[in-house]
Amino acid sequence: GNSVTQMEGPVTLSEEAFLTINCTYTATGYPSLFWYVQYPGEGLQLLLKATKADDKGSNKGFEATYRKETTSFHLEKGSVQVSDSAVYFCALSERGGSNYKLTFGKGTLLTVNP
Amino acid sequence: DTAVSQTPKYLVTQMGNDKSIKCEQNLGHDTMYWYKQDSKKFLKIMFSYNNKELIINETVPNRFSPKSPDKAHLNLHINSLELGDSAVYFCASSQGGSGSGNTIYFGEGSWLTVV
Repeated sequence: GNSVTQMEGPVTLSEEAFLTINCTYTATGYPSLFWYVQYPGEGLQLLLKATKADDKGSNKGFEATYRKETTSFHLEKGSVQVSDSAVYFCALSERGGSNYKLTFGKGTLLTVNP
Repeated sequence: DTAVSQTPKYLVTQMGNDKSIKCEQNLGHDTMYWYKQDSKKFLKIMFSYNNKELIINETVPNRFSPKSPDKAHLNLHINSLELGDSAVYFCASSQGGSGSGNTIYFGEGSWLTVV
């Protein structure tokens, strides 16, 4: 079945540091890949997505590239801010039987200190 | 206007009780979902509905019964609540399936505590 493995946290960084959160996946076909963010006490918001190999998703300074050869979708940001403190989830979904569900990784808690 | 709204936001109840969580979306989407987030933040799909038809029932105990009266609403009823049901329940919606790259929009969650 499908699965997502993402870097275990928590991750603690200083403001303006470089961020990488690793995400790899297992899927039977060609999934769409997503990063969602959950701020404290809130629901999930889509951060970015990519639907095919070599696509790059980007939003709010965050980027992730769909790498089919390494089955990865690592999240990066060049300079984090305190307001980026949140839980980040990597997720995938496939056409066919998994079209109507997201399979999530376990989430990575990011704390950015001033 | 809140795109996906669910009520109540907080619910504390005793074991054995029956409770419902309501969800409404005003995005005009044809697909709605219930996800469960446990105390370790792990998210797992419970149910998916497309055009009011149940598409996914992810091995959820039959104490949980979703009901979709129309495409804009998906309610979750839970019978005989157990301590292990304590979690955050998220309602969500999308236009078409996420496998095609469609974004799933989440509500703010309903925090259920069973005592």
